[in-house]
Amino acid sequence: GENVEQHPSTLSVQEGDSAVIKCTYSDSASNYFPWYKQELGKRPQLIIDIRSNVGEKKDQRIAVTLNKTAKHFSLHITETQPEDSAVYFCAALPGNEKLTFGTGTRLTIIP
Amino acid sequence: DAMVIQNPRYQVTQFGKPVTLSCSQTLNHNVMYWYQQKSSQAPKLLFHYYDKDFNNEADTPDNFQSRRPNTSFCFLDIRSPGLGDAAMYLCATSREPFRETQYFGPGTRLLVL
Repeated sequence: GENVEQHPSTLSVQEGDSAVIKCTYSDSASNYFPWYKQELGKRPQLIIDIRSNVGEKKDQRIAVTLNKTAKHFSLHITETQPEDSAVYFCAALPGNEKLTFGTGTRLTIIP
Repeated sequence: DAMVIQNPRYQVTQFGKPVTLSCSQTLNHNVMYWYQQKSSQAPKLLFHYYDKDFNNEADTPDNFQSRRPNTSFCFLDIRSPGLGDAAMYLCATSREPFRETQYFGPGTRLLVL
């Protein structure tokens, strides 16, 4: 089955700086890569996703890049704000199999 | 507007006392999933329904069961909760199994005394 590794497990960033979270996957059949943000005690919320036919996708301060050859994808948050503090999960979807999550990154924005 | 609703948000039960968690959706999605999430961990899929077809994950304990009486509602039954079952239980939906974006409900936090 699919295996997703996520780094770093914790990340502290000064407000206004950029944050980058990286994930690697093992199954070359994976074709859909969502990113979820989960604030303490709340639901995982989809913030951005990318499909395997696209190399990069951007939505305001958030961007995701995908390198299919290297089997890795990254989340980039620019101009970070205190409300960006949360746990972020990457995930990979290999065709008709279940969504496989990374282990999560706890992002703290330092005011 | 709430799209995936879970009730209750917090549930306290006693060791061994059956408990049922509820999920409803207004998205008219074909698939409903149940995940278990323990502190600081990723959600773990327990099972899912594709329409009326139930699909259990191989490592889901028999203690966990599910019912889907109609498109909108899905229930998670824990027959004999143990201390290790204390967790956040998340319901999610998607239009088609796995190929589509999953939308999560707010979760039910279960405490077992």
